[in-house]
Amino acid sequence: GEDVEQSLFLSVREGDSSVINCTYTDSSSTYLYWYKQEPGAGLQLLTYIFSNMDMKQDQRLTVLLNKKDKHLSLRIADTQTGDSAIYFCAERIENNDMRFGAGTRLTVKP
Amino acid sequence: EAQVTQNPRYLITVTGKKLTVTCSQNMNHEYMSWYRQDPGLGLRQIYYSMNVEVTDKGDVPEGYKVSRKEKRNFPLILESPSPNQTSLYFCASSLISGGGSPLHFGNGTRLTVT
Repeated sequence: GEDVEQSLFLSVREGDSSVINCTYTDSSSTYLYWYKQEPGAGLQLLTYIFSNMDMKQDQRLTVLLNKKDKHLSLRIADTQTGDSAIYFCAERIENNDMRFGAGTRLTVKP
Repeated sequence: EAQVTQNPRYLITVTGKKLTVTCSQNMNHEYMSWYRQDPGLGLRQIYYSMNVEVTDKGDVPEGYKVSRKEKRNFPLILESPSPNQTSLYFCASSLISGGGSPLHFGNGTRLTVT
């Protein structure tokens, strides 16, 4: 079936930029999302991008979409210890369903 | 405050003892969904509902039931729980728009079946 793939772990130093990558396979995806999950909590929407856009910036977050390669990335500038969490990439497909990646655990070292 | 509320947050039970996890949203969302989260597998959809009295199977529906008698509530029922249903469960809701309306998630229910 169709899959959303992400690497499982990323470790960066405080103050550096973090880049979390995601690939998806369903070319009919309309919206792509990034969610953040902190320990013991549900998923919180960070940002999303419509499939006809190639970039979206929101304060420290930059989302890049390469629709040809079906590649989505999330860049966090000036990463802080509070950014440590699991980040999920997700795509919205035709029947309003969402398909999630396995999540990337970001660890920020002081 | 707009939110999705799940109860209970933690539940330990024994094999075969029926249980229900409740989910309620106060945002008048048509779409509701249940997911389970397991390490390395991300979120897998169990069941979803596009509106009242309309429910459909997701990717992993076996061993689960749902109902949608009212718009705000979408309970998840395990008639005869088994240890392989030990997991972290999330309820979520959204508007049906075909557009950018994101899913709003509850805080999760950690279920252990012994």
